[in-house]
Amino acid sequence: AQTVTQSQPEMSVQEAETVTLSCTYDTSESDYYLFWYKQPPSRQMILVIRQEAYKQQNATENRFSVNFQKAAKSFSLKISDSQLGDAAMYFCVGGSNYKLTFGKGTLLTVNP
Amino acid sequence: DVKVTQSSRYLVKRTGEKVFLECVQDMDHENMFWYRQDPGLGLRLIYFSYDVKMKEKGDIPEGYSVSREKKERFSLILESASTNQTSMYLCASIEDRGFYEQYFGPGTRLTVT
Repeated sequence: AQTVTQSQPEMSVQEAETVTLSCTYDTSESDYYLFWYKQPPSRQMILVIRQEAYKQQNATENRFSVNFQKAAKSFSLKISDSQLGDAAMYFCVGGSNYKLTFGKGTLLTVNP
Repeated sequence: DVKVTQSSRYLVKRTGEKVFLECVQDMDHENMFWYRQDPGLGLRLIYFSYDVKMKEKGDIPEGYSVSREKKERFSLILESASTNQTSMYLCASIEDRGFYEQYFGPGTRLTVT
């Protein structure tokens, strides 16, 4: 079983600045994956970034990167050069045995 | 592009009605999922299916059932809708048991009055 905790219900950032969203998880599985999904006001859930737990190298996707600390069970998302279109609910997600466990989400506001 | 569609964006039903939520994916995915999304609770798994006619309970299956007669279609059924089932329902699919991206539908906002 997995648990995923997002301790920041809301965050805000100025356009072009950098913001970091926090996430901790707990799992008894040895093989698992971690994801960040975003859900904009359109409600469409979109994959932002994916990290395989067996990989030590942190995943990056353009302006999005993660800081994966396996021993600490921490998986934070950094958004660089924030844009207005980044405003959304962000979910930290753990996955194993093809099932996903979602955190409660962090609502990100981007101020112009 | 993978496309996951859901039959309705918004649905209003009365207490006690039988409700069908339909989900269709067009990429021949084996695994399909139904989630419920409530404010402050994230997404919670109701049921999933790893093959035609195969299903497994998720974390909150009570009050729901599912049907998967064809690979591309996964239906969520509320046998007797109740007000506490008012929620956003999201369908998703993935290609196989490896851990790839789950593709989500646009969601159905169900209100039970």
